[in-house]
Amino acid sequence: GENVEQHPSTLSVQEGDSAVIKCTYSDSASNYFPWYKQELGKGPQLIIDIRSNVGEKKDQRIAVTLNKTAKHFSLHITETQPEDSAVYFCAAHRWGAQKLVFGQGTRLTINP
Amino acid sequence: GAGVSQSPSNKVTEKGKDVELRCDPISGHTALYWYRQSLGQGLEFLIYFQGNSAPDKSGLPSDRFSAERTGGSVSTLTIQRTQQEDSAVYLCASSLDGGPGEQYFGPGTRLTVT
Repeated sequence: GENVEQHPSTLSVQEGDSAVIKCTYSDSASNYFPWYKQELGKGPQLIIDIRSNVGEKKDQRIAVTLNKTAKHFSLHITETQPEDSAVYFCAAHRWGAQKLVFGQGTRLTINP
Repeated sequence: GAGVSQSPSNKVTEKGKDVELRCDPISGHTALYWYRQSLGQGLEFLIYFQGNSAPDKSGLPSDRFSAERTGGSVSTLTIQRTQQEDSAVYLCASSLDGGPGEQYFGPGTRLTVT
């Protein structure tokens, strides 16, 4: 089955700097890759996603890149702000499997 | 509109007792998922319901865990004879059709087994 590895497990950056979180997946048939943000005491919330027919997608300060050949995808947050502090999860979905496989999460801390 | 709701938000139970956790998905969403999140860990898939199809129970960790979804809407996750290792946050999510798209998560139920 699908396996998703996420790195790093913790990340601390200065406010205003960029943050990058990376994930690799094992199933080449996976075709949908979302990123979720989870704040303390809340459920995860989708922040951006990408499908396998696209290499990059941007939404204001966040972007996701996908390398299908290498089977990895990354989340990029620019101009980080204190409210970006949270746990971020990547996931992969294979058509027909009908479920997401999540990475282990990255705790991002933005230092003022 | 209303999001996914879960109840109770917190549950403390004694080892060996049974517990029921409830999930109300977004109206009109045909797919419903249960996940378990242990402290500081990722999301572990438990079970998936899609419309009237047989549920995908492949993630249930033991036969003490079961779930049902009545009328294609509300779902209940039942854990029988709870063990301390069952302590975790149980998250429910729903999506429009179960395909590759956004899953909307509830706030979770924090279960503590003493």
